[in-house]
Amino acid sequence: EAQLVESGGGFVQPGGSLRLSCAASGFTFSSYVMSWVRQAPGKGLEWVSVISGSGTSTQYADSVKGRFTISRDNSKNTLYVQMKGLRADDTAVYYCARAGPDYAFDIWGQGTMVTVSS
Amino acid sequence: DIQMTQSPSTLSASVGDRVTITCRASQSISSWLAWYQQKPGKAPKLLIYKASSLESGVPSSFSGSGSGTEFTLTISSLQPDDFATYYCQQYNSYPYTFGQGTELEIK
Repeated sequence: EAQLVESGGGFVQPGGSLRLSCAASGFTFSSYVMSWVRQAPGKGLEWVSVISGSGTSTQYADSVKGRFTISRDNSKNTLYVQMKGLRADDTAVYYCARAGPDYAFDIWGQGTMVTVSS
Repeated sequence: DIQMTQSPSTLSASVGDRVTITCRASQSISSWLAWYQQKPGKAPKLLIYKASSLESGVPSSFSGSGSGTEFTLTISSLQPDDFATYYCQQYNSYPYTFGQGTELEIK
């Protein structure tokens, strides 16, 4: 069964850094485009970033461009996002998601909470 | 960026009702539209992809239609498990964008 498990969330002060991980299992990780999607408390879903299966191509939402870096290690079946210059409005549950054969997000992790506060 | 607008924001309905949620895109997205269901404290779940294709394992009471800029999600007969928040999402072009969500509540 395909599964994604996020980790690395926590409490960080404004301006701080954090790296989230997403461990994949049950499918050929390197064959799939992967994304990060976040959800602020009580709010809707916001797409954050995407990375190709090989890791050579990436895209970012304007709200995180220049501060977040998405990457993957296909030998470890793991997706990452390095977050720097964190702001209060980055506070959210962060989900990793697999883009299925038709590119909709067909598998989601359970999410990891990031809280940015002084 | 492509804006996605859902209506209504909240929908009150009863078990057995037929309900429809609408999603409008600010420009054409062909059929690159997905619908997700989310319950409190849980990750979203894919229901419909490519506007009208039913994801494996999703009840046939769910259906999607539309293309271009106008899309609908229909639940033919509401079951207790269907009360949740629903989101549309365009994946025609980056940045991918979601609608603001429709909360389906029990009347």
